[in-house]
Amino acid sequence: NAGVTQTPKFQVLKTGQSMTLQCAQDMNHEYMSWYRQDPGMGLRLIHYSVGAGITDQGEVPNGYNVSRSTTEDFPLRLLSAAPSQTSVYFCASRTSGGAGGELFFGEGSRLTVL
Amino acid sequence: GENVEQHPSTLSVQEGDSAVIKCTYSDSASNYFPWYKQELGKRPQLIIDIRSNVGEKKDQRIAVTLNKTAKHFSLHITETQPEDSAVYFCAASTSGTYKYIFGTGTRLKVLA
Repeated sequence: NAGVTQTPKFQVLKTGQSMTLQCAQDMNHEYMSWYRQDPGMGLRLIHYSVGAGITDQGEVPNGYNVSRSTTEDFPLRLLSAAPSQTSVYFCASRTSGGAGGELFFGEGSRLTVL
Repeated sequence: GENVEQHPSTLSVQEGDSAVIKCTYSDSASNYFPWYKQELGKRPQLIIDIRSNVGEKKDQRIAVTLNKTAKHFSLHITETQPEDSAVYFCAASTSGTYKYIFGTGTRLKVLA
């Protein structure tokens, strides 16, 4: 199993450009999520999904869109990048149901917006 | 909204000493509390977790304690080793919400 795979690992954008961060998992996890990691801020939840066709907002959703058309994929879209979106982005998944459970993280995507 | 506070932000200990990291959560309905370790340039990985029906859990040199009344939980690492050097994150989650709220992290340095 590859686990959680994110692409690209590194990306530089100019302000106003759009892009999509890809996330795929092969563990048949129903729950998938996106976090951003900034120095001194920890991991903050952007959006999450509990199954195909179902998405919801996290702590910091503004400026980001998501969709979940399949169990395996959960892309994160930046429609008009801003310097404040410079960060490291992590996708994470887990099995659904019950209280909690281990989150499996991807390797991260480092995004710089100039 | 939900909030998790984590202290200290940095912690330096001598090899062989113990390290303690503390977290406080705001949502009294939270019932799952994991700890993640993130080595430099790597992804966060679960090292131990505890559910609200348990007061303490141990796994070799690491342990987690939970005080539901005070709404805080702690990570204890004994006999620290250089490979324990990393950033540690606590988190809290509530059944049915699917949200994991993370603390701001503690950078642990184990000095040889």
